[in-house]
Amino acid sequence: KAGVTQTPRYLIKTRGQQVTLSCSPISGHRSVSWYQQTPGQGLQFLFEYFSETQRNKGNFPGRFSGRQFSNSRSEMNVSTLELGDSALYLCASSWGGTSQETQYFGPGTRLLVL
Amino acid sequence: GESVGLHLPTLSVQEGDNSIINCAYSNSASDYFIWYKQESGKGPQFIIDIRSNMDKRQGQRVTVLLNKTVKHLSLQIAATQPGDSAVYFCAENQYSGAGSYQLTFGKGTKLSVIP
Repeated sequence: KAGVTQTPRYLIKTRGQQVTLSCSPISGHRSVSWYQQTPGQGLQFLFEYFSETQRNKGNFPGRFSGRQFSNSRSEMNVSTLELGDSALYLCASSWGGTSQETQYFGPGTRLLVL
Repeated sequence: GESVGLHLPTLSVQEGDNSIINCAYSNSASDYFIWYKQESGKGPQFIIDIRSNMDKRQGQRVTVLLNKTVKHLSLQIAATQPGDSAVYFCAENQYSGAGSYQLTFGKGTKLSVIP
């Protein structure tokens, strides 16, 4: 079974631009979560989608948004990019039904904002 | 602040020795914990998990211990190999409402294996 895939793997943008990242979960998984990883803050939860609905959102500004499609694929969007948005953005998927499910991560998209 | 943290940021071990990586958590209601390994340029990779009704769980060369009394987790790697060099994270699966769970991660411990 294929793992979680993320595109693109690398991205360079300038301040003020917007960016869209894509995530395809493991087949059959309905929950997709997004995390931001930086050297200073570590891994931080952004939001979680299940059946095309955002169920949970972390403590990030409204510039960070996402959506999920009927095939469970998810996208996240960051508008008006800031230098501090440079990070590794990770997507993780799970079945989405219980408290004791493992989330499996993709390779991440490394975003550099200049 | 984060509810899950690691005691040591770096750990160097000789190849063939055993490694122990520690983690503290603060939410006594958490019932599921996961250890991830992250190699340079890759996403976190699942290693082993443990539920709160267990004290110990073993995998291939890895063992996780859970001490609920002091809210402490540890990951033991037997006969550490160069391929074990990576950053290790413990994560706590916390309920966030509306059927959603989110992982809260510690800062990570960088394990370096000396050949």
